Amino acid sequence: GAGVSQSPSNKVTEKGKDVELRCDPISGHTALYWYRQSLGQGLEFLIYFQGNSAPDKSGLPSDRFSAERTGGSVSTLTIQRTQQEDSAVYLCASSLMGSTIQETQYFGPGTRLLVL
Amino acid sequence: AQSVTQLGSHVSVSEGALVLLRCNYSSSVPPYLFWYVQYPNQGLQLLLKYTSAATLVKGINGFEAEFKKSETSFHLTKPSAHMSDAAEYFCAVSDLRGAQKLVFGQGTRLTINP
Repeated sequence: GAGVSQSPSNKVTEKGKDVELRCDPISGHTALYWYRQSLGQGLEFLIYFQGNSAPDKSGLPSDRFSAERTGGSVSTLTIQRTQQEDSAVYLCASSLMGSTIQETQYFGPGTRLLVL
Repeated sequence: AQSVTQLGSHVSVSEGALVLLRCNYSSSVPPYLFWYVQYPNQGLQLLLKYTSAATLVKGINGFEAEFKKSETSFHLTKPSAHMSDAAEYFCAVSDLRGAQKLVFGQGTRLTINP
């Protein structure tokens, strides 16, 4: 079946502009995660959605970052007033239920963001 | 807080040689541990995971890892390296606080020499 998909695959933007990154999880997966992969910080957790529960936003680095998940499926990560330090690969993952620690998270190919 | 340390940001082995990628974790509770592989310009793919069922875990592509509580380690091994194993490898531990988020190590880039 189809895996996690993300769009765009690459995004170049100018400092100060807003960007939106999209994630389509595996069909039927109720848990969705965003991670950021950057040279200086490695792989970091950003935000987690599980069903209708309030999202865990504990990893968002600043209030310029926000995310939503519509209809329990597609998610959009928005970065406002982008800064050069936001340049990174943004990875989305999904899992079936998110209720057991043993679950496997399936990752998308990522969106490579470059802020000039 | 849980954390993961991967010793060696770069490892280079000859084709056919043993692959050993080191991972040590810090956790105040029994951990759940994972190894992921990332090929160039691709997302992360699960190699294997430890969930307390067995200390020796076998994964895909001939990889395995052994959980050693006394050493707080979860090293990844493969008896004979193949050129296709060249990639970046990440060890991760589940954060038990609420969300099932993963805490990753810094990654180890594996190079295979012909």
